[in-house]
Amino acid sequence: GPKVLQIPSHQIIDMGQMVTLNCDPVSNHLYFYWYKQILGQQMEFLVNFYNGKVMEKSKLFKDQFSVERPDGSYFTLKIQPTALEDSAVYFCASSPDWGGYAEQFFGPGTRLTVL
Amino acid sequence: GDSVTQTEGQVALSEEDFLTIHCNYSASGYPALFWYVQYPGEGPQFLFRASRDKEKGSSRGFEATYDKGTTSFHLRKASVQESDSAVYYCALGDRANTGKLTFGDGTVLTVKP
Repeated sequence: GPKVLQIPSHQIIDMGQMVTLNCDPVSNHLYFYWYKQILGQQMEFLVNFYNGKVMEKSKLFKDQFSVERPDGSYFTLKIQPTALEDSAVYFCASSPDWGGYAEQFFGPGTRLTVL
Repeated sequence: GDSVTQTEGQVALSEEDFLTIHCNYSASGYPALFWYVQYPGEGPQFLFRASRDKEKGSSRGFEATYDKGTTSFHLRKASVQESDSAVYYCALGDRANTGKLTFGDGTVLTVKP
């Protein structure tokens, strides 16, 4: 079936550095999402994105976070600067439809470790 | 705010056992309810969805019925297989919103041959 890819699978960085997480969504999807899962905790919504704009963000989406998808390339999540509490697995998702009823297709996640 | 509660953190069964994973939700109106399954090294995969009271969702032998009265969407399967071993997430989607999913904590299912 349709696949969402995430690059890299694992990233280790020092606190204060910048990191960019990359997501290659399903090709004909228009709606994109990031979720965060700290080890042993719930998966939590960060942000969703459509037509070049953030539509909704949670309180977890701090000022240090940004998302973009320049020219139909990767959908990216950038954290600058990183903090220890940003260590988590970040899942990207995409969907062909909008709204709370839509099926979302998830990537395998990027495990971010901030030292 | 919206929330989802999965009662079982871990379930251990033998092949051909009956499975129940309990899911209860808290939300206003009629949210969409989902089950997702996650295998090791992969992201969650959509299993099925229900969007109105008494609607049954089903896929691959798994099923759940939307019950607004008890605010529940319990996952059931009559006869599990070893290949069903995975993490199962109940999730809620607000029909009025922008596609945000609210997940439960997940249930780790282990099926022994």
